[in-house]
Amino acid sequence: DARVTQTPRHKVTEMGQEVTMRCQPILGHNTVFWYRQTMMQGLELLAYFRNRAPLDDSGMPKDRFSAEMPDATLATLKIQPSEPRDSAVYFCASGLAGGSGEAFFGQGTRLTVV
Amino acid sequence: GQNIDQPTEMTATEGAIVQINCTYQTSGFNGLFWYQQHAGEAPTFLSYNVLDGLEEKGRFSSFLSRSKGYSYLLLKELQMKDSASYLCAVPAGGSYKLIFGSGTRLLVRP
Repeated sequence: DARVTQTPRHKVTEMGQEVTMRCQPILGHNTVFWYRQTMMQGLELLAYFRNRAPLDDSGMPKDRFSAEMPDATLATLKIQPSEPRDSAVYFCASGLAGGSGEAFFGQGTRLTVV
Repeated sequence: GQNIDQPTEMTATEGAIVQINCTYQTSGFNGLFWYQQHAGEAPTFLSYNVLDGLEEKGRFSSFLSRSKGYSYLLLKELQMKDSASYLCAVPAGGSYKLIFGSGTRLLVRP
């Protein structure tokens, strides 16, 4: 069945290390979102792509975060260098612009930076 | 800009009815979404309203008033499994960029 797939599901890393999170959107979807969720901030939008082009990444700290879509089947979110305050669950979601705009979420990557 | 307000927590009794409110401010309205999120899981879609009125889907209903910038999610015949966070979301500025409220954590008690 169609679903958004994220890898890894869990990641523990040391401060200063690079972290790469991957997302495979649902086939045929043309919008991809990256969200970060913490208890304090809730679901924050980090980046938003349509047809692989980044339309908005204003929610992302530019000095350490980067988001790309090398092709229609892969979206990546990188943090370099990572810091303890980056510890959160990172969700990828995909949808179809032009429809209701409903976003389908992956299971998330739980990141812990120690 | 976007502004979405929801109560932080609510408690209700199994079998009862609960209404979760959401108020929003946005330019270029393009619909309102409700999502459910169980602890440790991903958000899942519940409902979408783009026109005023009530949309019913089984035990869950969602209401929208565009003139008041107001929506609510109505859960009937509450079950223990309905204990979760309920997130209100609107696309920003008429786009498809989905912005979420902080969510309402619902606890259903026996």
